[in-house]
Amino acid sequence: AQSVTQLGSHVSVSEGALVLLRCNYSSSVPPYLFWYVQYPNQGLQLLLKYTTGATLVKGINGFEAEFKKSETSFHLTKPSAHMSDAAEYFCAVSGSSNTGKLIFGQGTTLQVKP
Amino acid sequence: DTEVTQTPKHLVMGMTNKKSLKCEQHMGHRAMYWYKQKAKKPPELMFVYSYEKLSINESVPSRFSPECPNSSLLNLHLHALQPEDSALYLCASSLETASYEQYFGPGTRLTVT
Repeated sequence: AQSVTQLGSHVSVSEGALVLLRCNYSSSVPPYLFWYVQYPNQGLQLLLKYTTGATLVKGINGFEAEFKKSETSFHLTKPSAHMSDAAEYFCAVSGSSNTGKLIFGQGTTLQVKP
Repeated sequence: DTEVTQTPKHLVMGMTNKKSLKCEQHMGHRAMYWYKQKAKKPPELMFVYSYEKLSINESVPSRFSPECPNSSLLNLHLHALQPEDSALYLCASSLETASYEQYFGPGTRLTVT
């Protein structure tokens, strides 16, 4: 069975500081991995995805993530946090049976302090 | 255009009412999804439609009834809901079900009184 663990339900950084949101996954097959962001009272927006190929993936709003198979990790980073980055972030892995099921982590709330 | 639209944005209904949620996409996607999301929790999958056929029902109570009239439209019919059904209902679509990224709509905030 596949699973996703997001370490830290709440992360707080200062504006301009590095953002690091951690995601570890468990999968019996090569995973497709996703990061989504959700602003208050809105739907989920795709930040970036890893399917195959280059392990360093760049997304929107200056975010990037690196797929590390040996560590079963897909951590999300941004060099310099902006106030507008404050939101809920979800890591997800695509289900192994091609059914369309996404397995979500529990989410990490990012707080950005001025 | 990567937009999924949902109407209404907010809905308040009594436990004896019948209402419907609507979702639309014009990206040519052949897979569409309904999710339920409680506050501070990840979305929970309810239904998956693939090529207009229901492919997954995650043991959702029959008071929720999905419908896919065509490849662009997805409805969720609601009847005799309970207060615990109050949540954000999200629609999503993807090119197909096979591991493609899903695009989410803004959601319908449902309150059952």
